[in-house]
Amino acid sequence: NAGVMQNPRHLVRRRGQEARLRCSPMKGHSHVYWYRQLPEEGLKFMVYLQKENIIDESGMPKERFSAEFPKEGPSILRIQQVVRGDSAAYFCASSDLYGQPQHFGDGTRLSIL
Amino acid sequence: DQQVKQNSPSLSVQEGRISILNCDYTNSMFDYFLWYKKYPAEGPTFLISISSIKDKNEDGRFTVFLNKSAKHLSLHIVPSQPGDSAVYFCAASANSGAGSYQLTFGKGTKLSVIP
Repeated sequence: NAGVMQNPRHLVRRRGQEARLRCSPMKGHSHVYWYRQLPEEGLKFMVYLQKENIIDESGMPKERFSAEFPKEGPSILRIQQVVRGDSAAYFCASSDLYGQPQHFGDGTRLSIL
Repeated sequence: DQQVKQNSPSLSVQEGRISILNCDYTNSMFDYFLWYKKYPAEGPTFLISISSIKDKNEDGRFTVFLNKSAKHLSLHIVPSQPGDSAVYFCAASANSGAGSYQLTFGKGTKLSVIP
């Protein structure tokens, strides 16, 4: 499967724990984007990364959220000290150097108890 | 403030007829527009896109029309098939901006194609 791979598909955390979401881009893609979808809403941009660089993090909450895309391995979206409001579907997308179109993974559904 | 609006939350169409999904935007910096289809528990699937230098793009049963002066685009599906039943998202990007390709999404329109 050469598509965007996200894991885990479902993640349950208790308030105060950490959540780590992983994304492997499509083969040949070097740009990764993270989006969040709340119930009954459209997807909202969070962050755009290239290998070892954060290009645009204008949609990231200022605290508790961080993202990386190391030279080797998947991109990671990290949420520290999760709260109930972090419950959402988190989607990763990737593109080639032209930026569009972006191709999406099937998402990680994060539930906070 | 919603920069991309899909004013119809849902649409029902008879199989074989045309489906028309609409999208309006407010940001004049948007220069690239995309439509995605999404099934429950899956990620959005790219359908078709259009650059602001064009007013129409066609791919099989799918055609996207762009009216820049009205800041309006539409997706036509002809003929509609039951497998087209899904939520359709309109998205826009300001590609010529500061180097970020972030997409701004509408809230989606749920299309139901009735056999």
